[in-house]
Amino acid sequence: AQKVTQAQTEISVVEKEDVTLDCVYETRDTTYYLFWYKQPPSGELVFLIRRNSFDEQNEISGRYSWNFQKSTSSFNFTITASQVVDSAVYFCALSLYNTDKLIFGTGTRLQVFP
Amino acid sequence: DVKVTQSSRYLVKRTGEKVFLECVQDMDHENMFWYRQDPGLGLRLIYFSYDVKMKEKGDIPEGYSVSREKKERFSLILESASTNQTSMYLCASLTRVTGGNQPQHFGDGTRLSIL
Repeated sequence: AQKVTQAQTEISVVEKEDVTLDCVYETRDTTYYLFWYKQPPSGELVFLIRRNSFDEQNEISGRYSWNFQKSTSSFNFTITASQVVDSAVYFCALSLYNTDKLIFGTGTRLQVFP
Repeated sequence: DVKVTQSSRYLVKRTGEKVFLECVQDMDHENMFWYRQDPGLGLRLIYFSYDVKMKEKGDIPEGYSVSREKKERFSLILESASTNQTSMYLCASLTRVTGGNQPQHFGDGTRLSIL
């Protein structure tokens, strides 16, 4: 069975701190995709990144970076120099190859205080 | 930009009522999804549809049904609303490509309260 675990329920930081959101997944499939979504207070889930299981290169996009490690089944998300606008719930999700169904983690609520 | 529009942001209904939640997407996407989001449980898939008049059960379909008469519209129906269906409901869509696994595009959500 597939599963995504986000052990951090809530994280609070002060602006400009770096913060890492953890994501651990379980699957026996060799081909799969991992996603991160952001849910701001407005409610809509915003897509941040998709990564396939054969691409273990780290990705950086501005202040956001992702570290994918198959050896530990983790796909962690780091925000550098956090800002108040980063306050949101962040979801990690998994989908198996050639399926469109997403398996979500329970989410991590990030609060960034000024 | 893909736009997924849910008909209501907030809805209050009474136990036993038949409730309709509507979702419309404007990008000709084949696949559409309904999730419910509850604290500590993340998003759970209720139903999805990969074509007009086609539907498949997700992980928690009990107490719900769906309708997809047109490609752009996917409706979630609570046949007889109960208080345990109070939740945030999110609709999503995506385009089908070879190999799948495209990002889903989400609406703003409907916060439904059943009294």
